[in-house]
Amino acid sequence: GAVVSQHPSRVICKSGTSVKIECRSLDFQATTMFWYRQFPKKSLMLMATSNEGSKATYEQGVEKDKFLINHASLTLSTLTVTSAHPEDSSFYICSAQRAGPVVVGYTFGSGTRLTVV
Amino acid sequence: AQTVTQSQPEMSVQEAETVTLSCTYDTSESDYYLFWYKQPPSRQMILVIRQEAYKQQNATENRFSVNFQKAAKSFSLKISDSQLGDAAMYFCAYRMNRDDKIIFGKGTRLHILP
Repeated sequence: GAVVSQHPSRVICKSGTSVKIECRSLDFQATTMFWYRQFPKKSLMLMATSNEGSKATYEQGVEKDKFLINHASLTLSTLTVTSAHPEDSSFYICSAQRAGPVVVGYTFGSGTRLTVV
Repeated sequence: AQTVTQSQPEMSVQEAETVTLSCTYDTSESDYYLFWYKQPPSRQMILVIRQEAYKQQNATENRFSVNFQKAAKSFSLKISDSQLGDAAMYFCAYRMNRDDKIIFGKGTRLHILP
């Protein structure tokens, strides 16, 4: 149980275009999902907290107009990188936690490698 | 602000031997959770073990165990009988109770020598 599906796994786009990444909790409901960015050989940097039915909460330094987050249902959050530039190239990972009385840890998607050319 | 520090960027261990990865954290909270995550070359994040701060007993999961020292704010991971499949990046992580965020350390790359 507790599977998170992230799609696409890889995407290449041209500068100036937008890219949407989907994160789905397959067998549980997630009122909160998290989006991370990971540079090569680096740690995961929290970008934003995605809340179902409300606006996302962005971490300091993350441009909310560039990284649009939508959490329209209890099983789906999307991250849209708008007007992408080469410096947005990175590995993006989402995570979700199964709601319940016991914190069992977060389940992560398999990540999306974004390359902007 | 909460921080998680992993002081060992890389470590190596002989297959079948035991290795300990270090982690310290800084927090003013009394109730929180700590985790160790493994990230193999596939880059899929895998939960290895978790520890509730209010529990004094150290968590164990098969060959993986932790040494949780709350007063010292230390949370080390011990891997016994190391296997080639244990080779990965290991991240120590702290979860804040008040907003559910998880903060990661910079990671320790573990090499298993055959």
